Amino acid sequence: QQQVKQSPQSLIVQKGGISIINCAYENTAFDYFPWYQQFPGKGPALLIAIRPDVSEKKEGRFTISFNKSAKQFSLHIMDSQPGDSATYFCAASMSSGTYKYIFGTGTRLKVLA
Amino acid sequence: SAVISQKPSRDICQRGTSLTIQCQVDSQVTMMFWYRQQPGQSLTLIATANQGSEATYESGFVIDKFPISRPNLTFSTLTVSNMSPEDSSIYLCSVDSGGDEQFFGPGTRLTVL
Repeated sequence: QQQVKQSPQSLIVQKGGISIINCAYENTAFDYFPWYQQFPGKGPALLIAIRPDVSEKKEGRFTISFNKSAKQFSLHIMDSQPGDSATYFCAASMSSGTYKYIFGTGTRLKVLA
Repeated sequence: SAVISQKPSRDICQRGTSLTIQCQVDSQVTMMFWYRQQPGQSLTLIATANQGSEATYESGFVIDKFPISRPNLTFSTLTVSNMSPEDSSIYLCSVDSGGDEQFFGPGTRLTVL
C-alpha cells in the first residue's frame, strides 16, 4: 500500500514532442506528490509538485495532471528538448506524517534532436 | 531552496572497511533524510535524522550498519560500516524545506571492491 508505481521505465521522444510519465498510488493518505528530475552524477532536483485539491498544475513546459478518484498522476513535458533528457521520479508523501517520500521506480527520458 | 553539500563526492573502498559521509546545509533545517540509490534504481529511504534524537530507520536498515549522527541543525553524517560490494551505491542526503518539499544534495558515489 506504500508503493508508487511509475511507467514507462524508459521513453524516447522527438524534439518538440510531448513526454508523458505516469504514476499510481494506493494509499489515500498521501497528499503531496512531487516530481524530481535527475541528471547523471547529480542529485534529484525538485521539478514541480501538486496536492490533491487541484487537478492540474502548470509551470512553464511542465504540467502535472492529477486524478484523485483513480489515484493517478502524470507529468507532461511539452515541447520536449534534448536538455530534458534525464531520469524522472515521481514521489508521494503524507503531510501529517513523517514527511518521508515514497519514490516511484523512475523513467529514463531521452529526447532526440 | 537550501544549498546542500556532501563529502566525499565519491570514494572507492575495500571490503570490510567503513566510510563516513558528511552532509552540510547552508541553513537550519528540522529534518534530514538519508537515501540510497543503487545503480540505475530508484531512491530508498535509509533513515530520518532529527537533531537531538535518535535516527529513525526504515525497514531493512539497522543502526549497526548505518549509524547516523545529527549534532546540529545544519549537519549530519551517515556511516556505512563493514562494507561489502553490495553497498556500492549513491548515498544522498536531503532536507525538508519547513513544508513538504525536500531538497537533495549531490550525492556520494561509493564503490566497494
